[in-house]
Amino acid sequence: YVLTQPPSVSVAPGETARISCGRNDIGSKRVHWYQQRPGQAPVLVMFYDSDRPSGIPERFSGSKSGDTATLTITRVEAGDEADYYCQVWDVGTDHQVVFGGGTKLTVV
Amino acid sequence: QLQLQESGPGLVKPSETLSLTCSVSGGSISSGGQYWNWIRQHPGKGLEWIGYLYYTGITYVNPSLKSRLTISGDTSQNQFSLRLNALTAADTAVYYCARGQYGGNWFDSWGQGTLVTVSS
Repeated sequence: YVLTQPPSVSVAPGETARISCGRNDIGSKRVHWYQQRPGQAPVLVMFYDSDRPSGIPERFSGSKSGDTATLTITRVEAGDEADYYCQVWDVGTDHQVVFGGGTKLTVV
Repeated sequence: QLQLQESGPGLVKPSETLSLTCSVSGGSISSGGQYWNWIRQHPGKGLEWIGYLYYTGITYVNPSLKSRLTISGDTSQNQFSLRLNALTAADTAVYYCARGQYGGNWFDSWGQGTLVTVSS
């Protein structure tokens, strides 16, 4: 039931960052994504795999293929540097919520 | 706009019980279609889901905490609460409350978090 994320991703400003989230049944799950800056509460940046909440820039997008969900950030800015977490809700497993281990995005 | 605010002690002793409350404004915990969640984050670590309360009163909790945890709601105060007993240093964390949306339990509103330290 673990969601697997890479511990870190590094990109230069203006490039594209891709953060993956893997699980063998993720194709049947709805995946949500959060951004957490240091010392702050997480912020929802994507829900239902690819729906963007109001106020989140169009540079953020979500997708899913096979056993991997991906959060893509285009034209990366310094302000995007943060930890990113994926999350699913396992209704069939006593309604458990599962978070990925988190990915530290560094803008170099 | 929905706002959530955690309150409780910042320091508790080992073996004691932690009680935290999340006060909700701009929305009602007795409205259907929303889940009222607790989430924690150990220092320097990732997010860990604790459990949630649905407006019907039903709760679901993390199995790793089930034996020590109670989540409840007070509709008259528009608050929901967490009680975690038999504390150890491993319970030291920032505790967040968050609203989950119906259908996917994604968390669109979060409290600012409250740091709880378990130490004698």
